[in-house]
Amino acid sequence: QSVLTQPPSVSGAPGQRVTISCTGSSSNIGAGYDVHWYQQLPGIAPKLLIYGNDNRPSGVPERFSGSKSGTSASLAITGLQAEDEADYYCQSYDSSLRAVVFGGGTKLTVL
Amino acid sequence: EVQLLDSGGDLVQPGGSLRLSCAASGFTFSNYAMSWVRQAPGKGLEWVSGISGSGTSAFYADSVKGRFTISRDNSKDMLYLQMNSLTAEDTALYYCTTAPTLTTSRNWLDPWGQGTLVTVSS
Repeated sequence: QSVLTQPPSVSGAPGQRVTISCTGSSSNIGAGYDVHWYQQLPGIAPKLLIYGNDNRPSGVPERFSGSKSGTSASLAITGLQAEDEADYYCQSYDSSLRAVVFGGGTKLTVL
Repeated sequence: EVQLLDSGGDLVQPGGSLRLSCAASGFTFSNYAMSWVRQAPGKGLEWVSGISGSGTSAFYADSVKGRFTISRDNSKDMLYLQMNSLTAEDTALYYCTTAPTLTTSRNWLDPWGQGTLVTVSS
């Protein structure tokens, strides 16, 4: 059971918008710790997609955006493309566990 | 270019030990915290352990506490993970990764090594 909760799967047609939620608690996201998002393509190491809740590293398309409110965060992908089909993970810090924590991951399928 | 090269993964028997290594290049190694993250076959990401840039603070997931030891050699830009008392549940691809810090919001993990496979089986 992951500390951060994500839906196991989401899907959308090309061009559509999808969102992936990440729900935590008062010891991690709710305590003010930032949320970061990673994209993992099949057979490849994870890649940083969003850091500090809503910042994109250089080279990440503007189609990807992040937000945070209370004990939850969200990743939004607009203008879905076939190449976006991947697993997505949220990550934060938990002060009670004194540990870096991940969500269980969400598999995005582009229909 | 920042690079992390993981190595040391192998097939090991239950109860055995293994030492993973990660060679870093392209950045000032001692300025960054380092972590090991693993991924069991078909499963999600699990943070295993992290160490501060100076090496004075180390943190572990409950699942490996007391069995794994993280260390670093800043003179060689190397990160290590000593794994003892291995069980089948430790079978995974182990990634080395870096972050500005570990225990604050500035703990995003970027970049990641290519991963090294640890298989625990008799």
